[in-house]
Amino acid sequence: DIQMTQSPSSLSASVGDRVSITCRASQSISNYLNWYQQKPGTAPQLLIYAASSSPSGVPSRFSGSGSGTDFTLTISSLQPEDFATYYCQQTYSRPYTFGQGTTLEIK
Amino acid sequence: QVQLQQWGAGLLKPSETLSLTCGVSGGPFNGYYWNWIRQTPGKGLEWIGEINHSGRANYNPSLQSRVTISVDTSKNQFSLNLSSVTAADTGVYYCARGIQLWLTYMDVWGIGTTVAVSS
Repeated sequence: DIQMTQSPSSLSASVGDRVSITCRASQSISNYLNWYQQKPGTAPQLLIYAASSSPSGVPSRFSGSGSGTDFTLTISSLQPEDFATYYCQQTYSRPYTFGQGTTLEIK
Repeated sequence: QVQLQQWGAGLLKPSETLSLTCGVSGGPFNGYYWNWIRQTPGKGLEWIGEINHSGRANYNPSLQSRVTISVDTSKNQFSLNLSSVTAADTGVYYCARGIQLWLTYMDVWGIGTTVAVSS
């Protein structure tokens, strides 16, 4: 299985900050990388697919980059509703695997 | 818009079989892969498996011996059976629609079903 490792595991930031979360794959996965946001008590929601593509409806402050083994999710200016847990997922090979999550907390 | 509604028993005893169903409304059933994903305290988010409208299924090898995913296209539903459950299977189970291009991503999720395994 491909292991996905996120860093940091948690992050404290303030409204308006620019933050980045990284995700590293245990082997090259090209750009077969998705990002999800999860708020407490709710299902994950798709934020980014194919490393850098945004589904319609996702605010432009969210962006993704990377290829191969190293990926980054960036939030350009944190809003109150962005405090949540973020997960990366690889779909390069089955079984699809997720990172352990990064929890973004209010400073 | 597409909605996934899931249901099934939430409290099981060890060795019983977990059975969940996910119904799809507001959009087409064909042309997608339909997924089951769980979130457990021990392993976080874990992909269980997927199935398409033709019944072609793929499973996580770590669960394959206990998992069956089936589809009922007449009802736009797909189901998960997980046999011989233990406490390690306790968690929240989600169904999700998978879009397969050159990669796969899950763009619509059910709200989740909490499953507890306890004697």
